[in-house]
Amino acid sequence: AQSVAQPEDQVNVAEGNPLTVKCTYSVSGNPYLFWYVQYPNRGLQFLLKYITGDNLVKGSYGFEAEFNKSQTSFHLKKPSALVSDSALYFCAVRDIRGDKIIFGKGTRLHILP
Amino acid sequence: GAVVSQHPSWVICKSGTSVKIECRSLDFQATTMFWYRQFPKQSLMLMATSNEGSKATYEQGVEKDKFLINHASLTLSTLTVTSAHPEDSSFYICSARGRGLDTGELFFGEGSRLTVL
Repeated sequence: AQSVAQPEDQVNVAEGNPLTVKCTYSVSGNPYLFWYVQYPNRGLQFLLKYITGDNLVKGSYGFEAEFNKSQTSFHLKKPSALVSDSALYFCAVRDIRGDKIIFGKGTRLHILP
Repeated sequence: GAVVSQHPSWVICKSGTSVKIECRSLDFQATTMFWYRQFPKQSLMLMATSNEGSKATYEQGVEKDKFLINHASLTLSTLTVTSAHPEDSSFYICSARGRGLDTGELFFGEGSRLTVL
């Protein structure tokens, strides 16, 4: 069965500092990996995905993520955080043979001015 | 492109009544739609998967008679919460995947917050 773990409930970062939001996954085959962001009382917005190819994936709003197959990780990163990045971030995985996307429990990111 | 619209955004109802939430794909044909439920400060729980023209597939523990899902066309899926009770209060989010648009990710609606009094 596929699963996603986000070990941190909350991450606090000072504005201008680099940020990392951690994610590890488990699937039986090759994974599709995703990051989504959710603002209060809103749906989810797609940030980026890894399907195949380069392990470093660049996405929206300056975010990027690195796929590490040996560590089964897909951590989200940004070189310089903005206060407006404060939101709830979800890592998700899809087994390429399946249809469902399974989400991690989410990590709340607080960017401190 | 790939816009999903969900309506209503907010709904308050009395206990025992039924509530219908609509999910529409505005600029693509949604061959598969997914319905999620989100409790406060928690992740998204997949409730069911619906394919156009066929019965929805419910996840374990989700009552299919309680949460009726209809996917009658390629642009519309509905979730009806029947005989709603306060414990059904939650944030419901739909998402869609489209024909010729399966690049892996899902496209989400803005969510519907249901409050049952």
